[in-house]
Amino acid sequence: QSALTQPPSVSGSPGQSVTISCTGTSSDVGSYNRVSWYQQPPGTAPKLMIYEVSNRPSGVPDRFSGSKSGNTASLTISGLQAEDEADYYCSSYTSSSTYVFGTGTKVTVL
Amino acid sequence: QVQLVQSGAEVKKPGASVKVSCKASGYTFTGYYLHWVRQAPGQGLEWVGRIDPNSGGTNYAQKFRGRVTMTRDTSISTAYMELSRLTSDDTVVYYCARGYGSGTFDIWGQGTMVTVSS
Repeated sequence: QSALTQPPSVSGSPGQSVTISCTGTSSDVGSYNRVSWYQQPPGTAPKLMIYEVSNRPSGVPDRFSGSKSGNTASLTISGLQAEDEADYYCSSYTSSSTYVFGTGTKVTVL
Repeated sequence: QVQLVQSGAEVKKPGASVKVSCKASGYTFTGYYLHWVRQAPGQGLEWVGRIDPNSGGTNYAQKFRGRVTMTRDTSISTAYMELSRLTSDDTVVYYCARGYGSGTFDIWGQGTMVTVSS
């Protein structure tokens, strides 16, 4: 199972919006609404930010939103803040009843 | 509160095995799958496998089949991940994570660093 493809890095100024893509195949992202997004600041465990494509857990700011089209899911951070600087990973359930993560994207706040 | 607490860092020699524990609290241990995810230094996340604490049933990533064993002890709400025939490529941080609904890892342990070195 190959990792889902994400851009290595994205950046934006405070207040701007950034979008991270997560491209898979018809065997994972394209077939299931079981895509999640995780935020991982350096040296810490990942934190769930979005589940089932577009749902936010309690406590996650509504600046974070998710969507999906075909084999590509996306995470958008609106109104970028300094505290959003971290690595972000997508994940998806697969047709093999396993899970696959994305390659990871470093978000930098300029 | 809901949390997962993992065992401490380990140093192992090549060819040895390591067993990492993950103790759950604040929720019904048998009500949620428990997944294991690993991360090499400076690298991305990699799903290792999962266990159903209720039945003991497991599902492992193809890459680790034959080398990984996941077990649980429901009496102490603890899951275990054992990896054998360690190589330097197994120098990673292992995380346990609670599986919520369909394909969501909602609660994560703090991570356990395993170093494989001769």
